[in-house]
Amino acid sequence: RKEVEQDPGPFNVPEGATVAFNCTYSNSASQSFFWYRQDCRKEPKLLMSVYSSGNEDGRFTAQLNRASQYISLLIRDSKLSDSATYLCVVNTDKLIFGTGTRLQVFP
Amino acid sequence: GAGVSQSPSNKVTEKGKDVELRCDPISGHTALYWYRQSLGQGLEFLIYFQGNSAPDKSGLPSDRFSAERTGGSVSTLTIQRTQQEDSAVYLCASNPDRGWYNEQFFGPGTRLTVL
Repeated sequence: RKEVEQDPGPFNVPEGATVAFNCTYSNSASQSFFWYRQDCRKEPKLLMSVYSSGNEDGRFTAQLNRASQYISLLIRDSKLSDSATYLCVVNTDKLIFGTGTRLQVFP
Repeated sequence: GAGVSQSPSNKVTEKGKDVELRCDPISGHTALYWYRQSLGQGLEFLIYFQGNSAPDKSGLPSDRFSAERTGGSVSTLTIQRTQQEDSAVYLCASNPDRGWYNEQFFGPGTRLTVL
């Protein structure tokens, strides 16, 4: 079993839609969690950290469920510019990156 | 300010040759990380430098891979006797302090192709 698992997608959604991604991790001792965004042929960039209490940044909401060992990312009112690959990242002694979920927003 | 820079941006080499990849972290960042990203794969940790501490080399896939960091700034990743399976994008990242907990700032990567 991979340490961090994500549905690779692609998720094809129209502008304005709400879309959610989940990510599961295998190590219950994992300490911190992040979502990074990676545009095609570009470097990853931090989108948001994920806190136990859940956190929101504009149209983006991240949640952590330690009991079930999963992290989620919700994007509301999708924009064309949200099209990218979203990487789930788990800190277990070092950062473990998922393979990413690809999102394509169409007009 | 200037971000993390890497050179070359692309490198094509023949199997069996040695290659050197360079990373310039953000000025003042004490932590530096190397990753590689193969097609369809997640980022794979290779090596981590923190200040003057001994580097964490636990991610290096074989003894053909080595890295050094001179003067606590620029880092070079060397791959000896390259193999086709070494083809990947090699990404460097830095952050201001010892921080797996903190945001990592990535460079644009070096795309290595081994023929």
